[in-house]
Amino acid sequence: QVQLQESGPGLVKPSGTLSLTCAVSGGSLTTRNWWSWVRRPPGKGLEWIGEMYHTGTTNYNPSLKSRVTISLDMTKNQVSLRLTSVTAADTAVYYCAREGGYRLDYWGQGILVTVSS
Amino acid sequence: EVVVTQSPGTLSLSPGESATLSCRASQSVSSSYIAWYQQKPGQAPRLLIYGASSRATGIPDRFSGSGSGTEFTLTISRLEPEDFAVYYCQQYGASPPMYNFGQGTELEVK
Repeated sequence: QVQLQESGPGLVKPSGTLSLTCAVSGGSLTTRNWWSWVRRPPGKGLEWIGEMYHTGTTNYNPSLKSRVTISLDMTKNQVSLRLTSVTAADTAVYYCAREGGYRLDYWGQGILVTVSS
Repeated sequence: EVVVTQSPGTLSLSPGESATLSCRASQSVSSSYIAWYQQKPGQAPRLLIYGASSRATGIPDRFSGSGSGTEFTLTISRLEPEDFAVYYCQQYGASPPMYNFGQGTELEVK
């Protein structure tokens, strides 16, 4: 059973950088799956941030592309998210998820990140 | 980019009734690219339906999906108390490659 667990700072200052890590257990990052980040701002719906494949290929949401970097650490079996120049609009619960064929079949429990001074 | 629109925004029903949730894509999409998720407060989204009509592992058969082209439907028959939640429709777009979610339908107890 694949399990994902997000971790990172719960508070980030405006104009700063949001950095999160997702630890994957029960499965390898090198399988035929993409690894995604999704967020849900308070009172709003889900927004896909981007994904990465173990070959290094990435796809990002065009609305966030200039600020987002997703990376994989094969040695630690972790997926990372980096979002720069954050504002209050980036306050959200952030989820990591595994792609299982054009759908996201395993999700982490999520981590709330608040952007505030 | 495909825009995904769900309706209604809120659906008020009683346990035992049936729910019909709609999902419309701004252009025709492959059924393979359509999925539905359930999200309860404080929990991660849970995959219910993929490929427009296939139930994910462990999902009760009272959940069913259908549709093609631009119109897709999630039907929940015989609503149970645990079914009241927010439901999202998701479309995977190939150009650019990305997941597009609808704004969600909140299924609430009447």
